Amino acid sequence: AQKITQTQPGMFVQEKEAVTLDCTYDTSDQSYGLFWYKQPSSGEMIFLIYQGSYDEQNATEGRYSLNFQKARKSANLVISASQLGDSAMYFCAMRVMDSSYKLIFGSGTRLLVRP
Amino acid sequence: DTGVSQDPRHKITKRGQNVTFRCDPISEHNRLYWYRQTLGQGPEFLTYFQNEAQLEKSRLLSDRFSAERPKGSFSTLEIQRTEQGDSAMYLCASSLEDRGTDTQYFGPGTRLTVL
Repeated sequence: AQKITQTQPGMFVQEKEAVTLDCTYDTSDQSYGLFWYKQPSSGEMIFLIYQGSYDEQNATEGRYSLNFQKARKSANLVISASQLGDSAMYFCAMRVMDSSYKLIFGSGTRLLVRP
Repeated sequence: DTGVSQDPRHKITKRGQNVTFRCDPISEHNRLYWYRQTLGQGPEFLTYFQNEAQLEKSRLLSDRFSAERPKGSFSTLEIQRTEQGDSAMYLCASSLEDRGTDTQYFGPGTRLTVL
């Protein structure tokens, strides 16, 4: 069965420091996609970054980078130079390669950035 | 570029009443998804449309739930005879079928409270 596991319910980070949010996944598919979304208290899911299973380079988008270790089935999100506005829930998701391409989400990590 | 919009943002209803939510996807997106998110969890897939065709429904979608996407534009999700267990955030997402990331972009959600 396909599954996303996020083992950190909550994390603290000091403003301007880097933080890593963990994500492991389970799938028997050879082709898949991994996503990270940010959900502020307002509720909207904001797309951050994408990694394809065949991508050889780790994805980067501004202050976000994805540490993709295929053999270990991990796709950790690294946020550099944390800002107060980064305080939110963060969800890792995997796109299922069936007829729907739906996303399977982990349970999320709540990040709090301290001033 | 206008994002995904959802209406209403909040809905409070009494048990047994019917409710209907609307989602307007990004205009050129042909794929539309509905997810449900309960407190402290990641979103769970409910149903998927490609253009106007509903191609997949989750087992979470009981016979009290129905979704439509007439003419492949906006979509509606109706819940009949609401129950307290239906209280959740209902999220709509859309994506453009392509050979790339097929990233799903989410709306702000409709938060349903069933009294």
